[in-house]
Amino acid sequence: AQTVTQSQPEMSVQEAETVTLSCTYDTSESDYYLFWYKQPPSRQMILVIRQEAYKQQNATENRFSVNFQKAAKSFSLKISDSQLGDAAMYFCAYRSYMEYGNKLVFGAGTILRVKS
Amino acid sequence: EAEVAQSPRYKITEKSQAVAFWCDPISGHATLYWYRQILGQGPELLVQFQDESVVDDSQLPKDRFSAERLKGVDSTLKIQPAELGDSAMYLCASSLNSQGNYGYTFGSGTRLTVV
Repeated sequence: AQTVTQSQPEMSVQEAETVTLSCTYDTSESDYYLFWYKQPPSRQMILVIRQEAYKQQNATENRFSVNFQKAAKSFSLKISDSQLGDAAMYFCAYRSYMEYGNKLVFGAGTILRVKS
Repeated sequence: EAEVAQSPRYKITEKSQAVAFWCDPISGHATLYWYRQILGQGPELLVQFQDESVVDDSQLPKDRFSAERLKGVDSTLKIQPAELGDSAMYLCASSLNSQGNYGYTFGSGTRLTVV
């Protein structure tokens, strides 16, 4: 079974600075998807960025980018020019490439605090 | 923008009582998921539907939990009887199909407190 580990329970960043959230995963599959989700307090979970394992190029979405190291099974999220609205719980998630039984497997999450 | 609707938003129930949650996915989304999120933890899948069929309910405590999606559209998750350990956020999500890298669209969740 796949597992996802987020080793940082909590991180802090000064507004306008850069922060990196770590994520490692364990799988025996060669094809899969990886995601970062953001869950603001009392609000719904939204997709931040996604990465397909067969793509070597790291995904980027505006201020959010990932560092995907397939051999190391590492998938970190970098947030540049941090804003107060980035404060939330961030979850790393893995999804199998299989047609069925391809549930999202989540890590425990990292609370990101943004200081003004 | 299309949303996944969930109700109620909050629910307080007494131990041993029955409770039900409702989810209406985005129109046209064939795959529907129910997740449970204990405070401070990541969500864990309870059940996955493809249209009206269950494709994964391996983590659903079937002695007390049941889920249905009779017409392949909206879905209901029921707990009977509720236990103190069931206190959690129950999240519903949907996706266009069971494949692809598009992730899911989540609803706002139902926060259940069992007293």
